[in-house]
Amino acid sequence: DTGVSQDPRHKITKRGQNVTFRCDPISEHNRLYWYRQTLGQGPEFLTYFQNEAQLEKSRLLSDRFSAERPKGSFSTLEIQRTEQGDSAMYLCASSALGGREAAYEQYFGPGTRLTVT
Amino acid sequence: QKEVEQNSGPLSVPEGAIASLNCTYSDRGSQSFFWYRQYSGKSPELIMSIYSNGDKEDGRFTAQLNKASQYVSLLIRDSQPSDSATYLCAVIYYNFNKFYFGSGTKLNVKP
Repeated sequence: DTGVSQDPRHKITKRGQNVTFRCDPISEHNRLYWYRQTLGQGPEFLTYFQNEAQLEKSRLLSDRFSAERPKGSFSTLEIQRTEQGDSAMYLCASSALGGREAAYEQYFGPGTRLTVT
Repeated sequence: QKEVEQNSGPLSVPEGAIASLNCTYSDRGSQSFFWYRQYSGKSPELIMSIYSNGDKEDGRFTAQLNKASQYVSLLIRDSQPSDSATYLCAVIYYNFNKFYFGSGTKLNVKP
């Protein structure tokens, strides 16, 4: 059973450029989450998919952020016109469809560290 | 007021002692609670979940939930230097699809 994988692991980009990150969840997991984490803070929720449906999106997310999960498997997170404030670790997590409780036990990938210069 | 509050620490305990980590949350109905461990430069790792009032034990870890007082805690018995990490409390309001993490408590276990 492979864990959650994310690609790339590191990304350095110039301000104003677009970036896209990929997340592959644990194979039998149908729920997928994106978070952003900055130094000294806990993960901040960005968005949540159940299968291919995007069920929740943080109001903190500006229109520059978009996420997709077209076939209910892998997901992409795109940031358009990056700003220096977007520099952070972007974390993906997945969880399995199941009973009320276990269904939200989230398993995280290694993250993508974004640096905007 | 934040949805999930944790003392940032650092909390220092000697090796072999019990480490007690606490978390308070805002009550919004149906919730599940989780504790994650995060080593520096790594992603969070799930260590415990708890859904009902009372205690839940798993090895050296015990999670405690008190919904009346709106707090959840994690006890680590026989603390080891390898337990030194940041511990994150997470609250999931599954009927609202809301997911909140605390800022974490840094634990240092001294040999």
